[in-house]
Amino acid sequence: EPEVTQTPSHQVTQMGQEVILRCVPISNHLYFYWYRQILGQKVEFLVSFYNNEISEKSEIFDDQFSVERPDGSNFTLKIRSTKLEDSAMYFCASRPRSGTSYNEQFFGPGTRLTVL
Amino acid sequence: AQSVSQHNHHVILSEAASLELGCNYSYGGTVNLFWYVQYPGQHLQLLLKYFSGDPLVKGIKGFEAEFIKSKFSFNLRKPSVQWSDTAEYFCAVNAHSSASKIIFGSGTRLSIRP
Repeated sequence: EPEVTQTPSHQVTQMGQEVILRCVPISNHLYFYWYRQILGQKVEFLVSFYNNEISEKSEIFDDQFSVERPDGSNFTLKIRSTKLEDSAMYFCASRPRSGTSYNEQFFGPGTRLTVL
Repeated sequence: AQSVSQHNHHVILSEAASLELGCNYSYGGTVNLFWYVQYPGQHLQLLLKYFSGDPLVKGIKGFEAEFIKSKFSFNLRKPSVQWSDTAEYFCAVNAHSSASKIIFGSGTRLSIRP
């Protein structure tokens, strides 16, 4: 069964450094999302992406964040200058445009980002 | 504003006990409802989902949930829990027939005593 994959599984970085988190959505999906979960807290929406542009973003998704679909398979989240409070698990999700799973988002295994 | 409330922060049960985790949502429209499970150190897994139709939904691992529209609730149930059900459970909602974001509840930690 197709799955969303994410790399790396764990990223450690110094405060102020740029990080890029990578996701490979399921191949026939057209809607893409990033969520994050700070340790011990609930999962929070960051951004949704469709047709090569952001369709919705939360207040968390400030100018330090950007998303890109650089080719036909990858979907990336960039944090330009990481802060300590960016430490979290980041989940990518994708969703098909049609079919029986139309309303469902499929989540990847997550990337744990640790900012020191 | 859309929101999801999970009233039980931490539930402790013995094996074979019955489980019911509460979930209420606030949303001014037709919704999709989800329950996700997160086992220790693992990622989110979909337990079950409600899009439309029969309000009693059956999911994996013997879980079920009932959508009660008049109460804006989507409680999760399991008649007999096992030690392996120890995990964090998240109720979630998004707008029906749209690509909108999923709003998650704060989660309920379930601990099962062997």
